[in-house]
Amino acid sequence: AQSVTQLGSHVSVSEGALVLLRCNYSSSVPPYLFWYVQYPNQGLQLLLKYTSAATLVKGINDFEAEFKKSETSFHLTKPSAHMSDAAEYFCAVSEGEGSQGNLIFGKGTKLSVKP
Amino acid sequence: DARVTQTPRHKVTEMGQEVTMRCQPILGHNTVFWYRQTMMQGLELLAYFRNRAPLDDSGMPKDRFSAEMPDATLATLKIQPSEPRDSAVYFCASGPRDSYGYTFGSGTRLTVV
Repeated sequence: AQSVTQLGSHVSVSEGALVLLRCNYSSSVPPYLFWYVQYPNQGLQLLLKYTSAATLVKGINDFEAEFKKSETSFHLTKPSAHMSDAAEYFCAVSEGEGSQGNLIFGKGTKLSVKP
Repeated sequence: DARVTQTPRHKVTEMGQEVTMRCQPILGHNTVFWYRQTMMQGLELLAYFRNRAPLDDSGMPKDRFSAEMPDATLATLKIQPSEPRDSAVYFCASGPRDSYGYTFGSGTRLTVV
């Protein structure tokens, strides 16, 4: 069965610093992987997705993630944090094969950005 | 931008009352999900539909929850009777055929007192 583990429920960075949010997955089939962001009192917004094409995936707002099969990881990075990046971030893996399976979400990582 | 619309945004109800939440998926999307988010459990799948047919509702307490898609433009999630432990944010999400990733609505925040 597929699962996702996000390391660190809270991450705090200074404005302008590198953002690194960690995600490890477990999957019995080639995974489809996703990062979503949730701002307060809003729904989840898709940041980026890995669908077995390029291992380095670029998303919105200068976020990117690298799929590393050997490490079963899909960490999210951004070179320079902005105050507006403060939100909760969820890593997810698609359940089963195919493009329209249920998403299994991690517990989320809350990102704080200090001025 | 196309969006998934959920109503109501907030609902406060008394224990034992019926609650109905509605979702209008993006036009043309053929897959619709209902998720529940709580602090303790995070995001949990309740049910999902493809082409209006229920594919999986194993995450839903069958004795009190029901989910339907009466037509392609409306999905409903009903709780009867509601209990305080049902207090959560309920999200609807939809996705197009053969695509990856889904669009979420803004959620319905349910409080059962």
